[in-house]
Amino acid sequence: GAGVSQSPSNKVTEKGKDVELRCDPISGHTALYWYRQSLGQGLEFLIYFQGNSAPDKSGLPSDRFSAERTGGSVSTLTIQRTQQEDSAVYLCASSYPDRGRDGYTFGSGTRLTVV
Amino acid sequence: AQSVTQPDIHITVSEGASLELRCNYSYGATPYLFWYVQSPGQGLQLLLKYFSGDTLVQGIKGFEAEFKRSQSSFNLRKPSVHWSDAAEYFCAGEAAGNKLTFGGGTRVLVKP
Repeated sequence: GAGVSQSPSNKVTEKGKDVELRCDPISGHTALYWYRQSLGQGLEFLIYFQGNSAPDKSGLPSDRFSAERTGGSVSTLTIQRTQQEDSAVYLCASSYPDRGRDGYTFGSGTRLTVV
Repeated sequence: AQSVTQPDIHITVSEGASLELRCNYSYGATPYLFWYVQSPGQGLQLLLKYFSGDTLVQGIKGFEAEFKRSQSSFNLRKPSVHWSDAAEYFCAGEAAGNKLTFGGGTRVLVKP
């Protein structure tokens, strides 16, 4: 596609429920990233996928968070047993392996509200 | 620890005036550096990037940034601001591992 597509754009969920956030990267971008943007913490790295390599999960805040990337394309970020502190905007980005080419391209994000 | 600092949380500038947003980085080696802009409810749009070479980098929308190794800075400038430049601006650095570290952002308000 022309850009990084994220869905849903907004999600309201009850505390304790599981949520899935989807990211569809730019075609040809082998690297995919998830970031979280919240008022208190700013923009934080969560996880990074590059091709078929094992993902870098070092930014995931707890074991309630997981992500997968199927077929080297679409990625799903799953948050289990959501808590109010999970409320944030979740941004997905993708890039070529050489970031000098186009940098990172971000989607518009999913705004998650846990009530 | 690697960090990116944007000292100014808010800046107000008159339309047509010049704009400079400050960014300082703290890394062991020179990182890749980026400036992004975010309008309300939108994602991050890349304005420009610095990897190596010329220290003055030209970007989109009339923005430029200058990398100064001696000052560990990568300040963003625009000679004449338009009302549509009102947004939040983020400086980011990438060291090893393809992870971006963002500054806290600077919100720009443009007065008519």
